[in-house]
Amino acid sequence: SQTIHQWPATLVQPVGSPLSLECTVEGTSNPNLYWYRQAAGRGLQLLFYSVGIGQISSEVPQNLSASRPQDRQFILSSKKLLLSDSGFYLCAWSWGSNEQFFGPGTRLTVL
Amino acid sequence: SQQGEEDPQALSIQEGENATMNCSYKTSINNLQWYRQNSGRGLVHLILIRSNEREKHSGRLRVTLDTSKKSSSLLITASRAADTASYFCATEPDTGGFKTIFGAGTRLFVKA
Repeated sequence: SQTIHQWPATLVQPVGSPLSLECTVEGTSNPNLYWYRQAAGRGLQLLFYSVGIGQISSEVPQNLSASRPQDRQFILSSKKLLLSDSGFYLCAWSWGSNEQFFGPGTRLTVL
Repeated sequence: SQQGEEDPQALSIQEGENATMNCSYKTSINNLQWYRQNSGRGLVHLILIRSNEREKHSGRLRVTLDTSKKSSSLLITASRAADTASYFCATEPDTGGFKTIFGAGTRLFVKA
């Protein structure tokens, strides 16, 4: 069976510090991978998605970047965090045009 | 703005009642999906309905899709307190690329 892991679960970072959130998927190959951000009490904002290694589509121009160094690894990064980067970050995977399977999320607080 | 918009934003019902949530979207789609999220957790997929389908059932869930009105509804029958969660619709536009656009969600509270 397939599983998706995200870490860390929670993170508190000062403004201006770097960020690296990691997402890995097990039990499948060549999945589509997604990064979303969710503000408190709101819906999900698609940040990046990837259909293959090194292929990243950015949906929202902002202070974040994503990379896919391996088939089942998706990394969300920032060189300098802003207060507005606080939120709940969710990674997900899918097979093509089908349902997405979500990780447990990372709650990021930027102080 | 987000592709999908749910209505109502919040819904409070008694256990045993039916809950209906609606979703409207703006562009042509390949499919529409409904997800559930318990507070502070990841999303769980409920149902996917493709653009050439009009209705789907899964247990106590019934989803309809009207592509002419660009709308969908999720019906939860005989609700339970455990159904308390936020429900999101998500659409995959037919422009290609597999991206999915989520709405702001409906927060459902089922009172025991």
